[in-house]
Amino acid sequence: EIVLTQSPGTLSLSPGERATLSCRASQSVSSSYLAWYQQKPGQAPRLLIYGASTRATGIPDRFSGSGSGTDFTLTISRLEPEDFAVYYCQQYGGSPRTFGQGTKVEIK
Amino acid sequence: QVQLVESGGGLVKPGESLRLSCGASGFTLSDDYMTWIRQPPGKGPEWVSFISGPGTSIYYADSVRGRFTISRDNDKNSLYLQMNSLTAEDTAVYYCVRGRDYYGHWGQGTLVTVSS
Repeated sequence: EIVLTQSPGTLSLSPGERATLSCRASQSVSSSYLAWYQQKPGQAPRLLIYGASTRATGIPDRFSGSGSGTDFTLTISRLEPEDFAVYYCQQYGGSPRTFGQGTKVEIK
Repeated sequence: QVQLVESGGGLVKPGESLRLSCGASGFTLSDDYMTWIRQPPGKGPEWVSFISGPGTSIYYADSVRGRFTISRDNDKNSLYLQMNSLTAEDTAVYYCVRGRDYYGHWGQGTLVTVSS
């Protein structure tokens, strides 16, 4: 099983700042089969990025993903008020599919 | 548009059973893999099971294999999860999700609480 470790656990930032979230895999994720999700309280996760760097439909271009192998990054270029939430990475290069434990982006 | 609506959650005692249902609309269910994902309170999501469009390919997480059964009725546009021998560790919001790999469409979730 591929274990995904996200860091930091919590990121305290102000609107307009840049957010950089990390996701590290316990083994190489084949073909960059990695996705990112955003989750707000009481809601289901929302797909942001798949294939490590492809934005899902309707996702603003301030969200970008990068990385390969075992190290992946989600960057939010300029935080908007609606971006404060929990973010999860998920791999689909191996079975079972696994999620990271999440990074909370909170208002400083 | 794509809509997924789960039902069947509730409070049960350890060892009891529960059957979750998911009604799908806005797409042809038989064309897609469908997945159940759960999220324990305060934790990250956990993949539970998926089933292929025709229902011929099925996989389970180790934590539920032998206790949970996924099934689908494409004529009724519905997905199911039969959960037996429930334990406190099964307490979670259960989501019905379209797809096998990454997940662009989720239901609103149904809460399953296992407690004596």
